[in-house]
Amino acid sequence: DADVTQTPRNRITKTGKRIMLECSQTKGHDRMYWYRQDPGLGLRLIYYSFDVKDINKGEISDGYSVSRQAQAKFSLSLESAIPNQTALYFCATSEGVGEQYFGPGTRLTVT
Amino acid sequence: AQSVTQPDIHITVSEGASLELRCNYSYGATPYLFWYVQSPGQGLQLLLKYFSGDTLVQGIKGFEAEFKRSQSSFNLRKPSVHWSDAAEYFCAVGAQGTYKYIFGTGTRLKVLA
Repeated sequence: DADVTQTPRNRITKTGKRIMLECSQTKGHDRMYWYRQDPGLGLRLIYYSFDVKDINKGEISDGYSVSRQAQAKFSLSLESAIPNQTALYFCATSEGVGEQYFGPGTRLTVT
Repeated sequence: AQSVTQPDIHITVSEGASLELRCNYSYGATPYLFWYVQSPGQGLQLLLKYFSGDTLVQGIKGFEAEFKRSQSSFNLRKPSVHWSDAAEYFCAVGAQGTYKYIFGTGTRLKVLA
């Protein structure tokens, strides 16, 4: 089984809809991250969490919110989706500032 | 400002040829350096990492990278490329005591048969 799983893998939604992307990990890591990937821009950090009670904004958090339901679960929500949030979203975990383990990604399209 | 630069957006090499992907960084603290590979439809997988010690590090799939502090570089190399190496490669920097990883914009590798 994969160390980091993301659901759904693909999602098409309409402008204004609320959507949640879910991430689960079996690595036992405290740190979890949400990134978005856009062509030519690399990965940009949306939110990160060091533990269940420690959640922080990244560089592009506007329009997004997160919930850390448990050490193993970290969800990303788009309260009112807009077309420029169309992107590939990745969840990742790490132990300290070591290697990050990435999920397979969620491809989100907002029409 | 902290940054990671991958100057080559696309690189094309023939199968069996050698490969070097460039990565330059600007980072105030002593960096932790990473190379990741992303195959189509997949997440990112770690190829190798440098924290300290020997500046030439070996990774998976026959890749290696050399940390050159004087040049602020961490270039990725492979002596003989295989068709399965076609993918996008990302250089990343982190540091002890911070939460943040900075990723380069990636280099897409195409391998000609």
